[in-house]
Amino acid sequence: EDQVTQSPEALRLQEGESSSLNCSYTVSGLRGLFWYRQDPGKGPEFLFTLYSAGEEKEKERLKATLTKKESFLHITAPKPEDSATYLCAVQNTSGTYKYIFGTGTRLKVLA
Amino acid sequence: NAGVMQNPRHLVRRRGQEARLRCSPMKGHSHVYWYRQLPEEGLKFMVYLQKENIIDESGMPKERFSAEFPKEGPSILRIQQVVRGDSAAYFCASSSTGADSEQYFGPGTRLTVT
Repeated sequence: EDQVTQSPEALRLQEGESSSLNCSYTVSGLRGLFWYRQDPGKGPEFLFTLYSAGEEKEKERLKATLTKKESFLHITAPKPEDSATYLCAVQNTSGTYKYIFGTGTRLKVLA
Repeated sequence: NAGVMQNPRHLVRRRGQEARLRCSPMKGHSHVYWYRQLPEEGLKFMVYLQKENIIDESGMPKERFSAEFPKEGPSILRIQQVVRGDSAAYFCASSSTGADSEQYFGPGTRLTVT
Protein backbone atom coordinates (compact mmCIF):
# COMPACT_ATOMS: atom_id res chain seq x y z
CA GLU A 1 0.00 0.00 0.00
CA ASP A 2 1.28 3.47 -0.90
CA GLN A 3 2.29 5.48 2.15
CA VAL A 4 3.81 8.85 3.05
CA THR A 5 5.37 9.65 6.42
CA GLN A 6 6.53 13.12 7.38
CA SER A 7 8.84 14.06 10.21
CA PRO A 8 9.07 15.80 12.51
CA GLU A 9 5.39 16.42 13.28
CA ALA A 10 6.24 19.86 14.61
CA LEU A 11 9.33 22.04 14.49
CA ARG A 12 10.19 25.33 16.19
CA LEU A 13 13.05 27.37 14.79
CA GLN A 14 14.57 30.69 15.62
CA GLU A 15 14.60 33.18 12.75
CA GLY A 16 17.68 32.43 10.65
CA GLU A 17 18.08 28.86 11.97
CA SER A 18 18.19 26.56 8.93
CA SER A 19 16.69 23.07 9.05
CA SER A 20 15.20 20.27 6.96
CA LEU A 21 11.83 18.54 6.85
CA ASN A 22 11.64 14.89 5.85
CA CYS A 23 9.12 13.01 3.71
CA SER A 24 9.58 9.25 3.46
CA TYR A 25 7.46 7.40 0.94
CA THR A 26 6.55 3.92 -0.18
CA VAL A 27 4.90 3.77 -3.57
CA SER A 28 4.50 1.09 -6.20
CA GLY A 29 5.82 3.42 -8.88
CA LEU A 30 6.49 7.13 -8.43
CA ARG A 31 4.94 9.46 -10.94
CA GLY A 32 5.68 12.57 -8.91
CA LEU A 33 6.28 13.93 -5.41
CA PHE A 34 4.73 17.24 -4.45
CA TRP A 35 5.33 19.76 -1.69
CA TYR A 36 2.63 22.13 -0.50
CA ARG A 37 2.39 24.80 2.16
CA GLN A 38 -0.82 25.17 4.15
CA ASP A 39 -1.68 28.13 6.36
CA PRO A 40 -4.37 27.79 9.05
CA GLY A 41 -7.86 27.91 7.60
CA LYS A 42 -6.63 27.90 4.01
CA GLY A 43 -6.13 25.44 1.20
CA PRO A 44 -2.73 23.92 0.35
CA GLU A 45 -0.52 26.14 -1.79
CA PHE A 46 1.64 24.39 -4.38
CA LEU A 47 5.42 24.69 -3.93
CA PHE A 48 7.33 22.02 -5.90
CA THR A 49 7.06 18.92 -8.05
CA LEU A 50 9.89 16.37 -8.17
CA TYR A 51 9.85 13.48 -10.61
CA SER A 52 13.07 11.50 -10.29
CA ALA A 53 15.83 10.73 -7.80
CA GLY A 54 18.53 13.36 -7.77
CA GLU A 55 16.21 16.15 -8.83
CA GLU A 56 16.28 19.44 -6.90
CA LYS A 57 14.03 22.51 -7.02
CA GLU A 58 14.52 25.89 -5.32
CA LYS A 59 12.29 28.81 -4.51
CA GLU A 60 13.47 31.65 -2.31
CA ARG A 61 14.51 30.11 1.03
CA LEU A 62 13.17 26.65 0.15
CA LYS A 63 14.92 23.80 -1.60
CA ALA A 64 13.39 20.39 -2.25
CA THR A 65 15.39 17.26 -3.02
CA LEU A 66 14.41 13.70 -3.90
CA THR A 67 15.93 10.25 -3.45
CA LYS A 68 14.39 6.86 -4.19
CA LYS A 69 12.93 6.63 -0.69
CA GLU A 70 12.54 10.15 0.63
CA SER A 71 12.40 13.85 -0.03
CA PHE A 72 13.74 16.74 1.99
CA LEU A 73 12.52 20.29 2.18
CA HIS A 74 15.44 22.45 3.25
CA ILE A 75 14.65 25.84 4.73
CA THR A 76 17.56 28.27 4.75
CA ALA A 77 17.55 31.23 7.14
CA PRO A 78 13.78 31.03 7.75
CA LYS A 79 11.65 34.03 8.60
CA PRO A 80 8.48 34.16 10.73
CA GLU A 81 6.38 34.31 7.56
CA ASP A 82 7.61 30.80 6.69
CA SER A 83 5.55 29.48 9.61
CA ALA A 84 2.98 27.05 8.19
CA THR A 85 2.26 23.36 7.80
CA TYR A 86 4.26 21.77 5.01
CA LEU A 87 2.63 18.85 3.24
CA CYS A 88 4.19 16.17 1.09
CA ALA A 89 2.20 14.05 -1.38
CA VAL A 90 2.98 11.33 -3.90
CA GLN A 91 1.26 10.25 -7.07
CA ASN A 92 1.84 6.74 -8.35
CA THR A 93 2.16 5.50 -11.90
CA SER A 94 -0.71 3.06 -11.74
CA GLY A 95 -4.35 3.92 -11.79
CA THR A 96 -5.54 7.48 -11.59
CA TYR A 97 -3.87 10.70 -10.56
CA LYS A 98 -4.90 11.00 -6.95
CA TYR A 99 -2.44 12.27 -4.37
CA ILE A 100 -1.50 10.41 -1.20
CA PHE A 101 -0.62 12.92 1.48
CA GLY A 102 1.45 12.76 4.62
CA THR A 103 0.13 14.37 7.79
CA GLY A 104 2.47 17.33 7.47
CA THR A 105 5.11 19.15 9.51
CA ARG A 106 3.94 22.17 11.49
CA LEU A 107 6.71 24.75 11.34
CA LYS A 108 6.90 27.71 13.69
CA VAL A 109 9.63 30.30 13.14
CA LEU A 110 10.20 32.62 16.06
CA ALA A 111 11.38 36.20 15.60
CA ASN B 1 -6.53 34.37 -13.50
CA ALA B 2 -8.95 33.23 -10.82
CA GLY B 3 -7.92 30.25 -8.76
CA VAL B 4 -10.04 27.33 -7.64
CA MET B 5 -13.22 28.60 -6.00
CA GLN B 6 -15.26 26.79 -3.41
CA ASN B 7 -18.49 27.71 -1.73
CA PRO B 8 -19.72 27.98 0.81
CA ARG B 9 -16.61 28.51 2.89
CA HIS B 10 -18.42 27.45 6.04
CA LEU B 11 -21.47 25.24 6.26
CA VAL B 12 -23.40 24.18 9.35
CA ARG B 13 -25.87 21.33 9.10
CA ARG B 14 -27.90 19.41 11.64
CA ARG B 15 -27.68 15.64 11.72
CA GLY B 16 -29.82 14.13 8.99
CA GLN B 17 -29.70 17.15 6.66
CA GLU B 18 -28.03 17.31 3.28
CA ALA B 19 -24.82 19.19 2.52
CA ARG B 20 -23.90 20.45 -0.96
CA LEU B 21 -20.39 21.66 -1.58
CA ARG B 22 -19.47 23.43 -4.80
CA CYS B 23 -16.18 23.74 -6.64
CA SER B 24 -15.31 25.79 -9.71
CA PRO B 25 -11.94 24.72 -11.12
CA MET B 26 -9.31 27.09 -12.45
CA LYS B 27 -9.95 28.39 -15.93
CA GLY B 28 -8.83 25.84 -18.49
CA HIS B 29 -8.77 22.96 -16.01
CA SER B 30 -10.95 19.96 -16.72
CA HIS B 31 -9.82 17.60 -13.94
CA VAL B 32 -11.31 17.95 -10.45
CA TYR B 33 -10.38 16.14 -7.25
CA TRP B 34 -12.05 16.19 -3.84
CA TYR B 35 -10.16 15.62 -0.61
CA ARG B 36 -11.27 15.55 3.02
CA GLN B 37 -9.19 16.75 5.95
CA LEU B 38 -10.23 15.61 9.40
CA PRO B 39 -8.83 17.39 12.47
CA GLU B 40 -5.25 16.29 13.17
CA GLU B 41 -5.25 14.08 10.07
CA GLY B 42 -3.84 14.43 6.59
CA LEU B 43 -5.73 15.11 3.42
CA LYS B 44 -7.52 12.00 2.15
CA PHE B 45 -8.52 11.50 -1.47
CA MET B 46 -12.21 11.03 -2.10
CA VAL B 47 -13.02 11.26 -5.80
CA TYR B 48 -11.58 12.30 -9.17
CA LEU B 49 -13.81 13.61 -11.94
CA GLN B 50 -13.57 14.93 -15.44
CA LYS B 51 -16.42 16.67 -17.19
CA GLU B 52 -19.49 14.41 -16.94
CA ASN B 53 -17.41 11.43 -15.79
CA ILE B 54 -16.35 9.95 -12.47
CA ILE B 55 -12.88 8.54 -13.05
CA ASP B 56 -11.96 7.27 -9.57
CA GLU B 57 -14.23 7.19 -6.53
CA SER B 58 -12.17 4.74 -4.52
CA GLY B 59 -11.91 7.12 -1.56
CA MET B 60 -15.57 7.97 -1.33
CA PRO B 61 -17.74 6.30 1.32
CA LYS B 62 -20.18 3.93 -0.37
CA GLU B 63 -23.25 5.43 1.21
CA ARG B 64 -24.55 8.99 1.50
CA PHE B 65 -21.76 10.56 -0.57
CA SER B 66 -21.94 11.42 -4.27
CA ALA B 67 -20.13 13.72 -6.65
CA GLU B 68 -20.72 15.15 -10.09
CA PHE B 69 -19.02 17.46 -12.55
CA PRO B 70 -21.60 18.42 -15.17
CA LYS B 71 -20.88 19.73 -18.62
CA GLU B 72 -21.87 23.19 -17.45
CA GLY B 73 -21.36 24.54 -13.97
CA PRO B 74 -19.33 23.62 -10.91
CA SER B 75 -18.48 20.24 -9.48
CA ILE B 76 -20.76 19.27 -6.60
CA LEU B 77 -19.97 17.04 -3.63
CA ARG B 78 -23.19 15.95 -1.99
CA ILE B 79 -23.51 14.41 1.44
CA GLN B 80 -26.92 13.08 2.38
CA GLN B 81 -28.14 12.54 5.94
CA VAL B 82 -25.03 14.04 7.49
CA VAL B 83 -23.64 12.66 10.75
CA ARG B 84 -21.23 14.27 13.23
CA GLY B 85 -18.34 12.25 11.78
CA ASP B 86 -18.75 14.12 8.49
CA SER B 87 -17.52 17.32 10.15
CA ALA B 88 -14.30 18.18 8.35
CA ALA B 89 -12.70 20.50 5.83
CA TYR B 90 -13.43 19.49 2.25
CA PHE B 91 -10.98 20.66 -0.38
CA CYS B 92 -11.34 20.69 -4.09
CA ALA B 93 -8.34 20.70 -6.42
CA SER B 94 -8.07 21.04 -10.17
CA SER B 95 -5.45 20.31 -12.79
CA SER B 96 -5.09 20.98 -16.51
CA THR B 97 -4.40 17.34 -17.30
CA GLY B 98 -4.28 14.23 -15.17
CA ALA B 99 -0.68 13.18 -15.52
CA ASP B 100 2.34 15.45 -15.13
CA SER B 101 0.37 18.42 -13.88
CA GLU B 102 0.09 19.87 -10.45
CA GLN B 103 -3.16 20.03 -8.56
CA TYR B 104 -4.19 23.48 -7.36
CA PHE B 105 -6.37 23.65 -4.30
CA GLY B 106 -9.27 25.82 -3.34
CA PRO B 107 -9.76 27.41 0.08
CA GLY B 108 -11.96 24.59 1.29
CA THR B 109 -15.42 24.25 2.78
CA ARG B 110 -15.56 23.68 6.51
CA LEU B 111 -18.55 21.52 7.33
CA THR B 112 -19.82 21.39 10.87
CA VAL B 113 -22.55 18.92 11.77
CA THR B 114 -24.43 19.72 14.96
